[in-house]
Amino acid sequence: DIQMTQSPPSLSASLGDKVTITCQASQNINKYIAWYQQKPGKAPRLLIRYTSTLESGTPSRFSGSGSGRDYSFSISNVESEDIASYYCLQYDNLPYTFGAGTKLELK
Amino acid sequence: QVQLKETGPDLVQLTQTLSITCTVSGFSLTTYNVHWVRQPPGKGLEWMGAMWNGGGTDYNSAFKSRLSISRDTSKSQVFLKMNSLQTDDTAKYFCARLGYGSPGWYFDFWGPGTMVTVSS
Repeated sequence: DIQMTQSPPSLSASLGDKVTITCQASQNINKYIAWYQQKPGKAPRLLIRYTSTLESGTPSRFSGSGSGRDYSFSISNVESEDIASYYCLQYDNLPYTFGAGTKLELK
Repeated sequence: QVQLKETGPDLVQLTQTLSITCTVSGFSLTTYNVHWVRQPPGKGLEWMGAMWNGGGTDYNSAFKSRLSISRDTSKSQVFLKMNSLQTDDTAKYFCARLGYGSPGWYFDFWGPGTMVTVSS
């Protein structure tokens, strides 16, 4: 199984900050990584697929990059509505595997 | 529009069997794949298994032979059945559609999830 090591586990930011989350896969995942936002009690919401393609409706302050084993996800100009947990997902191989998540809080 | 909704029991007794139904609308189960993902309270997401559009299934080996996924295409429903429940099976269970975006298949729509507590 492909392991996804996501960091940091938590992040404290002020409104307007830029924050970055990373996911490292245990093997090359050929850019097949998606990023999800999850608010308490809700289902995950797809933000980015195939490393850097923004899903329809995803604000442009969200971005993704990477290749091979190493990927990152950023939010520029953090807004209050961005306070949530974020997960990466590799969908290169079964079993699909998620990162452990990053909880974004307001400083 | 695309919708998925899970229905199942709130409480299941230790060692008993869990049955959850995912009812979908806005797409066909013979065109799209539906998967199951769970999330223990305060923890991360875990892929459980898949119902492929052709009727085949795949399972996370972590669930060994405890897990079974089936469907009724005429009712647009996918079923999860897992036996020998333990307290660490307490989780919110989600069904999610696997959508296609060139390239690759990823979870594009999710149900709201159903919270299941395993009680001793």
